[in-house]
Amino acid sequence: EVQLVESGGGLVKPGGSLRLSCDASGFIFSNYRMNWVRQAPGKGLEWVSSMTSSGTSIDYADSVKGRFTISRDNAKNSLYLQMNSLRAEDTAVYFCARVGGYSGYGNYYFDYWGQGSLVTVSS
Amino acid sequence: DIQMTQSPSTLSASVGDRVTITCRASQSISRWLAWYQQKPGKAPNLLIYKASSLNSGVPSRFSGSGSGTEFTLTISSLQPDDFATYYCQQYNSYPVTFGQGTKVEIK
Repeated sequence: EVQLVESGGGLVKPGGSLRLSCDASGFIFSNYRMNWVRQAPGKGLEWVSSMTSSGTSIDYADSVKGRFTISRDNAKNSLYLQMNSLRAEDTAVYFCARVGGYSGYGNYYFDYWGQGSLVTVSS
Repeated sequence: DIQMTQSPSTLSASVGDRVTITCRASQSISRWLAWYQQKPGKAPNLLIYKASSLNSGVPSRFSGSGSGTEFTLTISSLQPDDFATYYCQQYNSYPVTFGQGTKVEIK
């Protein structure tokens, strides 16, 4: 059974930092592109960042570029999101999500999601 | 970025009703569209990909159709477990983007 379990969320002051982790099991983690998707309270879904299976290609949403860093450790079956210079608008539940398939243009949808980790940025 | 617009934002329906949710893209996305179901406090669950392909384990009362800029998700006979929020997502272009969601409520 595929499982994705996020951790590391919490309350942080504006300008602060936080590191999220996502522990994967039930599949060959090193074969899959992995992502972070967030959801602000009562709002919709927003893709945040993506990393290929080998870690050679990384993408970020414009809203987090330069502040967030995605990484992975395939030996530990883990995905990470280092979040720096946090703002109030970064307050959200952050989901770890596995790519389920691709379009003909190399973009993707998500077939498995973790339960999410809440990040609250407030003074 | 491609904008995805869902309608309605909220839908009130009864068990057994046929329900249709529409998703419109701001430009053509061919058939590169996915649908998700999300219940409060839970992760999204993939229902449909490539506009009409049913994900494994998803009940056959769910179906998707459309291409280009207009898509629909249909629930043929609404069940108690289907009261949730539904999101569409385009994966034709980077960055992938989601609709704002459609909440299906009990009438």
